[in-house]
Amino acid sequence: AQSVTQLDSQVPVFEEAPVELRCNYSSSVSVYLFWYVQYPNQGLQLLLKYLSGSTLVKGINGFEAEFNKSQTSFHLRKPSVHISDTAEYFCAVSEPQAAGNKLTFGGGTRVLVKP
Amino acid sequence: KAGVTQTPRYLIKTRGQQVTLSCSPISGHRSVSWYQQTPGQGLQFLFEYFSETQRNKGNFPGRFSGRQFSNSRSEMNVSTLELGDSALYLCASSSGKLAGGSTDTQYFGPGTRLTVL
Repeated sequence: AQSVTQLDSQVPVFEEAPVELRCNYSSSVSVYLFWYVQYPNQGLQLLLKYLSGSTLVKGINGFEAEFNKSQTSFHLRKPSVHISDTAEYFCAVSEPQAAGNKLTFGGGTRVLVKP
Repeated sequence: KAGVTQTPRYLIKTRGQQVTLSCSPISGHRSVSWYQQTPGQGLQFLFEYFSETQRNKGNFPGRFSGRQFSNSRSEMNVSTLELGDSALYLCASSSGKLAGGSTDTQYFGPGTRLTVL
């Protein structure tokens, strides 16, 4: 069975400062990895995904993430945050071998960007 | 293209009642997945439908059921509601072009917030 751990439930950060959101996963098989963002009263929006290839993945809104197989991590980073980045961020995994779509999510990290 | 739409957006029910939620996927998408989001349990996968067939199922009791129509629209039903069913129910659609499906990008709707009193 897969599991995803987001190590920080809340991350306060000042505007224009960098931010890193940590994600570790546990799986007995290889996985695909995703980061989603959820703004208040909205659904989830995909930021980026890792399927294979380069371990550094660039996404939308200036976010990037690095896949580290040995550490089973997929941390999300942004070099300079904006007020509009205030949201909840979810890391998720799926199994390439499994049929269909089934995402297993971490508990989420709330990012609060302060002016 | 229009995004994923979910109706209704808000719903209040009482214990013991049943409820039906609707999801219209992005045009051309054949896969619809449902997730439950609660403060305590987070985001949990309910089930996925592809071409009118349930392709995947999460670990929820039989009170939770779903179906998909020939136009890919999907409904989920919860019978005999319990207080713990209060949650945001999210629907996600994907193209379903790939047999495996797990690389498909899932596009989420805004959710239906269900409150059980």
